[in-house]
Amino acid sequence: GAGVSQSPSNKVTEKGKDVELRCDPISGHTALYWYRQSLGQGLEFLIYFQGNSAPDKSGLPSDRFSAERTGGSVSTLTIQRTQQEDSAVYLCASSLLGLAGELFFGEGSRLTVL
Amino acid sequence: AQSVTQLDSQVPVFEEAPVELRCNYSSSVSVYLFWYVQYPNQGLQLLLKYLSGSTLVESINGFEAEFNKSQTSFHLRKPSVHISDTAEYFCAVSEGGGADGLTFGKGTHLIIQP
Repeated sequence: GAGVSQSPSNKVTEKGKDVELRCDPISGHTALYWYRQSLGQGLEFLIYFQGNSAPDKSGLPSDRFSAERTGGSVSTLTIQRTQQEDSAVYLCASSLLGLAGELFFGEGSRLTVL
Repeated sequence: AQSVTQLDSQVPVFEEAPVELRCNYSSSVSVYLFWYVQYPNQGLQLLLKYLSGSTLVESINGFEAEFNKSQTSFHLRKPSVHISDTAEYFCAVSEGGGADGLTFGKGTHLIIQP
């Protein structure tokens, strides 16, 4: 498709399990972002990939969170030993270098930790 | 560091009435300003943006926002709202342009009452 694709759209897991969330950005977009959207909290920046540069991980809330981007395209966000406070919608966005600030978002992956 | 404040978490308004969603930002440098909209069960999408030039910017569906540097504001307005405008609206700021990530406000839920 032409947009940012995320999977799964919904994930229910048990506390302590690991989860992987996938993002397929728009073809040709060099920048990829992960945000977390919690009820009443707005969007929380998690991590940013730009081309082949080292990612900006400054927003990751703990060492249980990690992300990688293979071949400059698909990205996977991994949450280890999930906790109930990890429940949120995880949004992926991509953008084209030089296009100031316009991010294209996927529909998100809703994570529920029981 | 940049920050964004959306003063209202929820704004109820009757259909065909005017609306203003408030946004204030703080930054020590020049900024680019954005409004994103999130319709129910959808991802965020860009509504309008200010990069440079005219301080009044418009969207295709009748919204407008005005950049006011002295008041560090970028309020969003529409003279007559429709039921289909019901959504979450996020103000965002980016310093320096390029493909840098955005800092988002916590969002304002616009509720249109018939």
